[in-house]
Amino acid sequence: DTAVSQTPKYLVTQMGNDKSIKCEQNLGHDTMYWYKQDSKKFLKIMFSYNNKELIINETVPNRFSPKSPDKAHLNLHINSLELGDSAVYFCASSQAGAPPSNNEQFFGPGTRLTVL
Amino acid sequence: GQNIDQPTEMTATEGAIVQINCTYQTSGFNGLFWYQQHAGEAPTFLSYNVLDGLEEKGRFSSFLSRSKGYSYLLLKELQMKDSASYLCAVKTGANNLFFGTGTRLTVIP
Repeated sequence: DTAVSQTPKYLVTQMGNDKSIKCEQNLGHDTMYWYKQDSKKFLKIMFSYNNKELIINETVPNRFSPKSPDKAHLNLHINSLELGDSAVYFCASSQAGAPPSNNEQFFGPGTRLTVL
Repeated sequence: GQNIDQPTEMTATEGAIVQINCTYQTSGFNGLFWYQQHAGEAPTFLSYNVLDGLEEKGRFSSFLSRSKGYSYLLLKELQMKDSASYLCAVKTGANNLFFGTGTRLTVIP
């Protein structure tokens, strides 16, 4: 009955490789997100996506691209991996709505990416 | 740009009360969240404030002053399991959350 799931949990790879992280949510939410949490534990939004709109944080390199085959999935593809990409990547989802709805985001367990 | 500040670390004693402050300067404001994150785990939702005032939920309370760009999370009757990072996050626009760097709380016996 996992709400937001990610695979793999750990990913170790060489510089220059291309890799993907998968995310699925079974909450019926219409918006999904990718976050990067660096070694200093700073959690930073990378993308938010719903059926209508992809919002990209302008600081994210274009080597990173989200792919959504359907409303319940948002995968993250990373090309030409670099050492600085090593981090924990969290997927999250929420249901859109105007305040006072809180649109709480539910996070997946995270994927620890290590680039050697 | 977005600027969210919290203390980096705090230490408190089991059974005591601790207040974790958060100040923010953001373009747009649609509410402020507090999340708890234990080491190696995902953030989990604690509270949400969109109007000024105090929201109480069991041992945890959260306060917001929009005019001052200020919030705090109050934890009462601290337990060892409360040792975690506490993340302040501001929602701007429809969906995006901008997080502070988090406050690592250590509860000591």
